[in-house]
Amino acid sequence: QVQLVQSGAEVKKPGASVMVSCKASGYTFTSYYMHWVRQAPGQGLEWMGVINPTSGSATYAQKFQGRVTMTRDTSTSTVYLELSSLRSEDTAVFYCARPTGGNHYDYWGQGSLVTVSS
Amino acid sequence: DIQMTQSPSTLSASVGDRVTITCRASQSLSTWLAWYQQKPGKAPKLLIYKASSLESGVPSRFSGSGSGTEFTLTISSLQPDDFATYSCQQYNSYPYTFGQGTKLEIK
Repeated sequence: QVQLVQSGAEVKKPGASVMVSCKASGYTFTSYYMHWVRQAPGQGLEWMGVINPTSGSATYAQKFQGRVTMTRDTSTSTVYLELSSLRSEDTAVFYCARPTGGNHYDYWGQGSLVTVSS
Repeated sequence: DIQMTQSPSTLSASVGDRVTITCRASQSLSTWLAWYQQKPGKAPKLLIYKASSLESGVPSRFSGSGSGTEFTLTISSLQPDDFATYSCQQYNSYPYTFGQGTKLEIK
């Protein structure tokens, strides 16, 4: 069965960077793009971007351009999200999400809480 | 960016009620719209995709309709497990965007 298992919670200081991982299993890793979505406390869902696991190319939301990098490691079927220059407003749960037939998300990771606090 | 506006933000209803949530897009999506259910501390769960297609395993009391810029999610007879937050998502074009969510509360 498809599983997306994310890394654990992180606490970071303003200005630091954070890397969140999402390890995929139960399917051919390179067959499906992977998206990242975040959710600030009490807020709605926000799309951050998408990575093509075959080529490694990524498309980012304009809002995060220059601060976000999505990468993948095909040897471990893992995708990574790095967000830099963290500020308090980046405190959120970050999810990886995988579409299947369309671009709606059939599968989600369990979420990784990133807290930015001095 | 395509703006997604959901209404209402909060909805109070009772078990057995029929409820409808609306999502409006700032430009046409054709039918590239999904609905998700989310419970506290959990990842969203896909309910409806392509505006009206029911995800496998989702109860038939959930239905979706609409095209273009106006969409609805209907729950025909609320069950206790349905009290949660519901969000729409457009995947017509990047950046994908979500509605702000509708919290469905027990009256």
